[in-house]
Amino acid sequence: QQQVKQSPQSLIVQKGGISIINCAYENTAFDYFPWYQQFPGKGPALLIAIRPDVSEKKEGRFTISFNKSAKQFSLHIMDSQPGDSATYFCAASIKAAGNKLTFGGGTRVLVKP
Amino acid sequence: DAGVIQSPRHEVTEMGQEVTLRCKPISGHDYLFWYRQTMMRGLELLIYFNNNVPIDDSGMPEDRFSAKMPNASFSTLKIQPSEPRDSAVYFCASRKDRGPSEQFFGPGTRLTVL
Repeated sequence: QQQVKQSPQSLIVQKGGISIINCAYENTAFDYFPWYQQFPGKGPALLIAIRPDVSEKKEGRFTISFNKSAKQFSLHIMDSQPGDSATYFCAASIKAAGNKLTFGGGTRVLVKP
Repeated sequence: DAGVIQSPRHEVTEMGQEVTLRCKPISGHDYLFWYRQTMMRGLELLIYFNNNVPIDDSGMPEDRFSAKMPNASFSTLKIQPSEPRDSAVYFCASRKDRGPSEQFFGPGTRLTVL
């Protein structure tokens, strides 16, 4: 059972544009929602994370929007740069369960110069 | 800190052989996680340890897979016997018990079973 669904699978955006990736979850016990960025040949690295008590978190060009009632959250990459070209994974976890991560399927983002 | 260290980075073996993947977590981290990444199934949690004790191994695909953590600075994931469908990138990650929940991933081991 896939508990975190991510879309789209891939997207192409022009330099300076906005990339938007969406995730939906099923388990209402999730209490931590991170986004990981992965470059080819590397392990995933934490990009930004949010807890369900806030609706938005912004760090530089990256923003998470969180909708608890809809059980959805999204990543917005503003002013996308070629260096942002990577695969992005949303994830969810439960602190009481050791914060083991359940990942979405990933979105491959290509930013064209 | 050197980050999470995994070895080998690449492993090519033949079906039926035993494979051992190794991980050194970040010093001071209390949790260690093993993940598998494939195109078909994405990133899957296999097992995780807390203070060297296995807590949840529900993601381990079958009895051919086993994991150990004999001390706080070393863990192994063993596949015996290996099969072609085990071909994947295996990641180890670690995190602290307290403070931020961030997991730090190693560079992964790319396993190819012929």
